[in-house]
Amino acid sequence: RKEVEQDPGPFNVPEGATVAFNCTYSNSASQSFFWYRQDCRKEPKLLMSVYSSGNEDGRFTAQLNRASQYISLLIRDSKLSDSATYLCVVLGIEGAQKLVFGQGTRLTINP
Amino acid sequence: NAGVTQTPKFQVLKTGQSMTLQCAQDMNHNSMYWYRQDPGMGLRLIYYSASEGTTDKGEVPNGYNVSRLNKREFSLRLESAAPSQTSVYFCAGRDRGLVNTEAFFGQGTRLTVV
Repeated sequence: RKEVEQDPGPFNVPEGATVAFNCTYSNSASQSFFWYRQDCRKEPKLLMSVYSSGNEDGRFTAQLNRASQYISLLIRDSKLSDSATYLCVVLGIEGAQKLVFGQGTRLTINP
Repeated sequence: NAGVTQTPKFQVLKTGQSMTLQCAQDMNHNSMYWYRQDPGMGLRLIYYSASEGTTDKGEVPNGYNVSRLNKREFSLRLESAAPSQTSVYFCAGRDRGLVNTEAFFGQGTRLTVV
C-alpha cells in the first residue's frame, strides 16, 4: 500500500463550481499534513497546511480526519487560475522528517 | 533571495555515464530531500537528510547515492545512468523547527538518459 494515495483525476469542472479532493495516508503516526500546488511541471509550492481542527484560506478549506486517516481539500467558486495539479503531502514522525507526496490530482477549470 | 538552487537545469546522459546533481540552500534548513517526478506519478522520494551528516532512503533509492556535505548542500549521484532514470528531479529543504513549516523546492533538473 502506498503511504499517501490520491485520486489522480483528472477533474474537469466549470468555472464557479465547487470541487473536493481526498487523500488517504497509511502511517497513523504521521504528524503534519499539507496541500501543495504544482503548475505545468514547475516546482511544487505550498497551498496550505492542514490543521487538526480544519482550516480555511479564502476559497480553500482543508480538513483532517485522523481516525480515518484522510485529508481533504475543498475549493469553492473555482477560478480558471485554479487549474493545476494538487498534491497531498504527509510528514511522518517528526523526528524522522520523511516527507511523502501523493501522486497528485490534476484539476482543469473550464470557462 | 536564492532559496533552493539546483544545478544543472537540464542534462542529457548516455546510458552508463555518471553524474552528480547539485542542490544548495541558503535558508538554513535542517532537512533536505531529493525527489523524482515522472508523468502521472507525482513526486517520489529518493533520499532525504534530516540533518547534516545523516541520510535515509526514501521510496525509490535504487540506482542513486546521496551526500549531505554540510548543512547547505545535498547532492544526488547517479553512478551508472539508465534510461529508467529519465525524469525531473526536485530538491527541497525544510526547517524542522516547527511541525507545520513548509518545504521549499528548487526549480528542478530535467534529466534524459539515452
